[in-house]
Amino acid sequence: NAGVTQTPKFRVLKTGQSMTLLCAQDMNHEYMYWYRQDPGMGLRLIHYSVGEGTTAKGEVPDGYNVSRLKKQNFLLGLESAAPSQTSVYFCASSYRGNSNQPQHFGDGTRLSIL
Amino acid sequence: RKEVEQDPGPFNVPEGATVAFNCTYSNSASQSFFWYRQDCRKEPKLLMSVYSSGNEDGRFTAQLNRASQYISLLIRDSKLSDSATYLCVVLFSGGYNKLIFGAGTRLAVHP
Repeated sequence: NAGVTQTPKFRVLKTGQSMTLLCAQDMNHEYMYWYRQDPGMGLRLIHYSVGEGTTAKGEVPDGYNVSRLKKQNFLLGLESAAPSQTSVYFCASSYRGNSNQPQHFGDGTRLSIL
Repeated sequence: RKEVEQDPGPFNVPEGATVAFNCTYSNSASQSFFWYRQDCRKEPKLLMSVYSSGNEDGRFTAQLNRASQYISLLIRDSKLSDSATYLCVVLFSGGYNKLIFGAGTRLAVHP
């Protein structure tokens, strides 16, 4: 069972470069999320999507863009990477946003911006 | 003030010990509560939901005190494999049911 798959697993970028993180889920989930996790802080929501073709801002959206062209994929883009975006990024999905529907996480992307 | 606060630890305990973690949350409108487990450099995984009446899953017991806005997790008979970071997570009902994560409490169980 693949579940939630993130690519790439690791990446090093130079300041100002752009890149896209891909999240794919095979559970037919409606909701998808992108989080970042930094030392000493809880996961923080960057953007989320409640269905194909829809996206919305989370807690820390600045510097990121997202797209959900297909239900199974949720892309996170960094247009001009900054050192402050060095973090571990987690994608998650859930069937709906109901309280009894847990979020399933991918195994993360470790991103370093030099 | 953080919306969900946890003692970062680490809690260093011997195998077989009982250990308890606490968590406080600031928003009284919080609807649902969870404990997630995160192993080093891995993704968070749901450990258990926390119900108002308290609930138990094997060696793990979760308690909720809405009046004090306080959640706890008790682990009995600690195993080496319990070593991980435990994340307290609170859900606010809304357009997408927003999850707020605590920064986690690290547990290290030693022989």
